[in-house]
Amino acid sequence: RKEVEQDPGPFNVPEGATVAFNCTYSNSASQSFFWYRQDCRKEPKLLMSVYSSGNEDGRFTAQLNRASQYISLLIRDSKLSDSATYLCVVNIEGNNRLAFGKGNQVVVIP
Amino acid sequence: ETGVTQSPTHLIKTRGQQVTLRCSSQSGHNTVSWYQQALGQGPQFIFQYYREEENGRGNFPPRFSGLQFPNYSSELNVNALELDDSALYLCASSLGRADNEQFFGPGTRLTVL
Repeated sequence: RKEVEQDPGPFNVPEGATVAFNCTYSNSASQSFFWYRQDCRKEPKLLMSVYSSGNEDGRFTAQLNRASQYISLLIRDSKLSDSATYLCVVNIEGNNRLAFGKGNQVVVIP
Repeated sequence: ETGVTQSPTHLIKTRGQQVTLRCSSQSGHNTVSWYQQALGQGPQFIFQYYREEENGRGNFPPRFSGLQFPNYSSELNVNALELDDSALYLCASSLGRADNEQFFGPGTRLTVL
């Protein structure tokens, strides 16, 4: 089983709509969780960290469910500039590395 | 920009050859991690260097090796290249532990023919 699983999509989203996706992780010892954004042929960039209490940054909301071992990202009022791949990332305790999912490809359509 | 630079930008090699990729970390960062990203996949961890020592390794064969220098820049060396080594190689710098934000360089796109 992969450490981090995501449905790659693509998720075709009308401009202004809301889109949400989850990722699941396999290691219950995972301690830190992140969403990274990757534009086509560019490097990943941190979008937001994910805290146990959930967190919001403008139009973006991230949630963590430790019992079910999944992380979610919700984007409200989608903009054309939100088109990108969103990578779910997990840091495993005692292991100095990040485990990335395949990414959720989001295409915002005018 | 993240302040992390990588060279070269693109590289074409043939099977069996050797390659060295370079990364300069962001000022003040002492940790460099290397990742391989195949087309349509997420980045896969190769290894991490912290203060010039290897500090964790992913599931890659020994022909993938690395170095970190006193100025915290780093190299990734791959021997006996195989077709499946064709990928984007990303380095990321950070300060200390992995749960600190990692800042990625633009990557080196390696094509093995």
